[in-house]
Amino acid sequence: GQNIDQPTEMTATEGAIVQINCTYQTSGFNGLFWYQQHAGEAPTFLSYNVLDGLEEKGRFSSFLSRSKGYSYLLLKELQMKDSASYLCAVMDSNYQLIWGAGTKLIIKP
Amino acid sequence: DAGITQSPRYKITETGRQVTLMCHQTWSHSYMFWYRQDLGHGLRLIYYSAAADITDKGEVPDGYVVSRSKTENFPLTLESATRSQTSVYFCASSEGNPSDEQYFGPGTRLTVT
Repeated sequence: GQNIDQPTEMTATEGAIVQINCTYQTSGFNGLFWYQQHAGEAPTFLSYNVLDGLEEKGRFSSFLSRSKGYSYLLLKELQMKDSASYLCAVMDSNYQLIWGAGTKLIIKP
Repeated sequence: DAGITQSPRYKITETGRQVTLMCHQTWSHSYMFWYRQDLGHGLRLIYYSAAADITDKGEVPDGYVVSRSKTENFPLTLESATRSQTSVYFCASSEGNPSDEQYFGPGTRLTVT
């Protein structure tokens, strides 16, 4: 079966750095997405990785290792507004997105 | 207004009733999707459409019907609502390539009593 695993909840301090991990087992791979979802709102796109390595976009970076079935999202200089759920999703061989259950990130002052 | 909209935003219905959730996008995106989001689960794909008059099943299609007669609209119908269909429903759209990012509507919170 297809499976995306990510921690259910993480807590971090304002101004710090946090890494949210995602491991996956899917039938085929056509890229990995990270989305941010604030409570009660729609998911919004953060990043897309299809090749191994690190993609940096401002305070957010995303890493992919296809051989290990592993990705992480790195958030730097955390702000209170970063409190949200972070969703990992893999595009499988049928070009359908398989979603993890999301990681709820709590930022404390 | 530009973007992707869903209506209604909130709906309470009774078991056995037919319910239609509307989705409208103004970007002329080729692909449109319907997901449901339940606590403890990731988003699950119900149906998707690659273009007008082309639809296909996703992971959890049972009990749902879709149509896409126009590029901008993608309604989702629950033919006979059940309590297990209580959920938050998101519509999304993306440009021509399946690997393009998906843009999500604000969601419809559906409660089936």
